[in-house]
Amino acid sequence: GAGVSQTPSNKVTEKGKYVELRCDPISGHTALYWYRQSLGQGPEFLIYFQGTGAADDSGLPNDRFFAVRPEGSVSTLKIQRTERGDSAVYLCASSLDFSTDTQYFGPGTRLTVL
Amino acid sequence: GQNIDQPTEMTATEGAIVQINCTYQTSGFNGLFWYQQHAGEAPTFLSYNVLDGLEEKGRFSSFLSRSKGYSYLLLKELQMKDSASYLCAVRDGRGSYIPTFGRGTSLIVHP
Repeated sequence: GAGVSQTPSNKVTEKGKYVELRCDPISGHTALYWYRQSLGQGPEFLIYFQGTGAADDSGLPNDRFFAVRPEGSVSTLKIQRTERGDSAVYLCASSLDFSTDTQYFGPGTRLTVL
Repeated sequence: GQNIDQPTEMTATEGAIVQINCTYQTSGFNGLFWYQQHAGEAPTFLSYNVLDGLEEKGRFSSFLSRSKGYSYLLLKELQMKDSASYLCAVRDGRGSYIPTFGRGTSLIVHP
């Protein structure tokens, strides 16, 4: 399949630990988005990349959250000093470029902070 | 900021028609999306409206009125597999083109 993939599918960690979540976008898609979704809520925007650069990181809740996309393809969302409130499903999406329409979502990583 | 409102939950009967409404208040407007999300799965794209009117795509149709800040998703000939959450998402007039999602409407289709 040529869809968006995310690893791991599930991550359980302890409060205070560091985690990395990975996203592989659809090949050729230059735009990549990270969202966070809590139960019963819609996806909440975190950060958007156009190529290698973070074009909009206004959704990152605080400086514990950081994301990179060094080669313009795979992206990693990094969370330092995790807190219980960080528990959610982290969704990644990609689109052909920033201005087009359709975002294709990956299956998400369910993060649980104990 | 943006305010997107849609009903929390709806129920309908297999074979029937259901209309899911979405109202929004945004600073500018640059398109509205509908996504379907089954429990535990990723959202999948259903429709995109940027001009007023009705867009039909098989059993699903989406309507937009920009002057009223209103959209609806119409599902015809409901099937059990249509039970899912339906997310309305709006792009405002800012430059980043990032859509803001509503909380979603959980649709339950029963026999």
